[in-house]
Amino acid sequence: EDQVTQSPEALRLQEGESSSLNCSYTVSGLRGLFWYRQDPGKGPEFLFTLYSAGEEKEKERLKATLTKKESFLHITAPKPEDSATYLCAFLSGGYNKLIFGAGTRLAVHP
Amino acid sequence: GAGVSQSPSNKVTEKGKDVELRCDPISGHTALYWYRQSLGQGLEFLIYFQGNSAPDKSGLPSDRFSAERTGGSVSTLTIQRTQQEDSAVYLCASSPPGQGDSPLHFGNGTRLTVT
Repeated sequence: EDQVTQSPEALRLQEGESSSLNCSYTVSGLRGLFWYRQDPGKGPEFLFTLYSAGEEKEKERLKATLTKKESFLHITAPKPEDSATYLCAFLSGGYNKLIFGAGTRLAVHP
Repeated sequence: GAGVSQSPSNKVTEKGKDVELRCDPISGHTALYWYRQSLGQGLEFLIYFQGNSAPDKSGLPSDRFSAERTGGSVSTLTIQRTQQEDSAVYLCASSPPGQGDSPLHFGNGTRLTVT
């Protein structure tokens, strides 16, 4: 059965303290691995799509990487405005619907 | 430009009542999705519309839930005889034509509370 697990559930960082969020997946026929950011009271906002193992994408302080079993979202020198819930999701096989993980709640303190 | 618009933003209803939630997708987007997010949980897929094709209803939790999309644009999610476990944020998303891997653009959701 296709599934995705995110860890940790919650992460507290000091401003400037780099870290990584993990998204482990078991998917037959991965067509895309997506990262979204969600702020309280808002809908998820698209960050990245990764398609194949070894692929990396960057945006400001964020870098997403993909292997055959997991994806990492690396946050370099985070700022308080990076505080949010980060969601990963996958698209598999012949289906056109994203399956989401439960997310990682990130809090960055000054 | 305008994003995905959902209304109402908040809805409080009594158990047993019917509710309708509305979604206006981004103009030109052919795909439309409904998801449900319970407190502290991830997004649960409900239903997917793509152009004129039959919708994928595989995520609807019971026959009390239904959705329609009129004219390939606005969508309405209807929940009949609401129950307390239906309380959640209902999110709508749309995406442009493509291979199915286009990023989803989400609205800010409707927070439904069933008392």
